Amino acid sequence: GAVVSQHPSRVICKSGTSVKIECRSLDFQATTMFWYRQFPKQSLMLMATSNEGSKATYEQGVEKDKFLINHASLTLSTLTVTSAHPEDSSFYICSALGPSGYEQYFGPGTRLTVT
Amino acid sequence: KQEVTQIPAALSVPEGENLVLNCSFTDSAIYNLQWFRQDPGKGLTSLLLIQSSQREQTSGRLNASLDKSSGRSTLYIAASQPGDSATYLCAGTGANNLFFGTGTRLTVIP
Repeated sequence: GAVVSQHPSRVICKSGTSVKIECRSLDFQATTMFWYRQFPKQSLMLMATSNEGSKATYEQGVEKDKFLINHASLTLSTLTVTSAHPEDSSFYICSALGPSGYEQYFGPGTRLTVT
Repeated sequence: KQEVTQIPAALSVPEGENLVLNCSFTDSAIYNLQWFRQDPGKGLTSLLLIQSSQREQTSGRLNASLDKSSGRSTLYIAASQPGDSATYLCAGTGANNLFFGTGTRLTVIP
């Protein structure tokens, strides 16, 4: 089946620094990838839709200058949290739209802790 | 905007019981309905995907149904096992994105 990886799985950074999270589709090409965040005991919330070769589409309330998304190839999308603050600490999950065009395959998630 | 609700929020059952998890959505114009499992601190595992034209899907001990007209989906788990303990999320697919419910935390007691 389709596999999506994320790196790193866990990262701790200091307030004010930036951190990059990678999302890769390992055995298929994904023109569309999605980034979600999940706060403790809450459901996932879509942050943005990442389209290969074009600008990402951000959901309302998500700061595009703070959460930079780059989908430079058909197998890689990156999310950079710039000038991170403790309130950015969360679980970030990416997904990739599979060959069928309607099923999403999820990465294992990245736990970000900002101190 | 699609809103997805899951009831109950938490459920504890003894091992071996059959159980049903409920999911309701406000906009019947969904494309597909997907059920996921999430273990603590982990990503999502897709369990079943019901396409808009389908009414149910089965995989092993799991059976998911979809009734678009009433805006409901159910996930039936037969002969529950302690390893089934996890949070179960349903999600309705809109135009290439997913609207997630808040999940049902299931605990199967040995």
